[in-house]
Amino acid sequence: GDSVTQMEGPVTLSEEAFLTINCTYTATGYPSLFWYVQYPGEGLQLLLKATKADDKGSNKGFEATYRKETTSFHLEKGSVQVSDSAVYFCALIISTGANNLFFGTGTRLTVIP
Amino acid sequence: EAGVAQSPRYKIIEKRQSVAFWCNPISGHATLYWYQQILGQGPKLLIQFQNNGVVDDSQLPKDRFSAERLKGVDSTLKIQPAKLEDSAVYLCASSLDRVDTQYFGPGTRLTVL
Repeated sequence: GDSVTQMEGPVTLSEEAFLTINCTYTATGYPSLFWYVQYPGEGLQLLLKATKADDKGSNKGFEATYRKETTSFHLEKGSVQVSDSAVYFCALIISTGANNLFFGTGTRLTVIP
Repeated sequence: EAGVAQSPRYKIIEKRQSVAFWCNPISGHATLYWYQQILGQGPKLLIQFQNNGVVDDSQLPKDRFSAERLKGVDSTLKIQPAKLEDSAVYLCASSLDRVDTQYFGPGTRLTVL
């Protein structure tokens, strides 16, 4: 079945460090891929998305590239800030399906000054 | 633009009691989703509505969970009777249509004692 495997956390980084959160997927169709972020006390927010192979999603300094050959969608940021502390979820939707999001288990990121 | 509203934000009940959650989607959004997020896991879809019709309820435990969206706007999710394993955050999301980005509410945290 369709699934997302996400790098386990928690991840603790110093401010201005480089961030990578790994995400790989298994899908029977041609999925769209997403990263959602959940800040403390807030709801899930879409961070970025990519709808086809080799697309790069980007937002707020975060980037992720849809790699069909490695079935991956790793999240990266060159220099994290304390305000990036949150839980990050990788997710997919099968384009021919019912728009159901399949989420990974989430990775908690803590950035320390 | 107002986001997805949910109430209550927190609820504590004893097992075998009943509970109901309410969701008001973003104005004009035809599609509404309920997700269950157990601690340490990613959200899992329970039910999806398109206007006031059910699109997918395959993951909804129908012996105890029910949901409705009678006028195609607000929705309620009910659990009766609750079990300990129902302790989770219940997230409501909406999208303009079935293929559009989903926007999430803040969630209702349910604790079953």
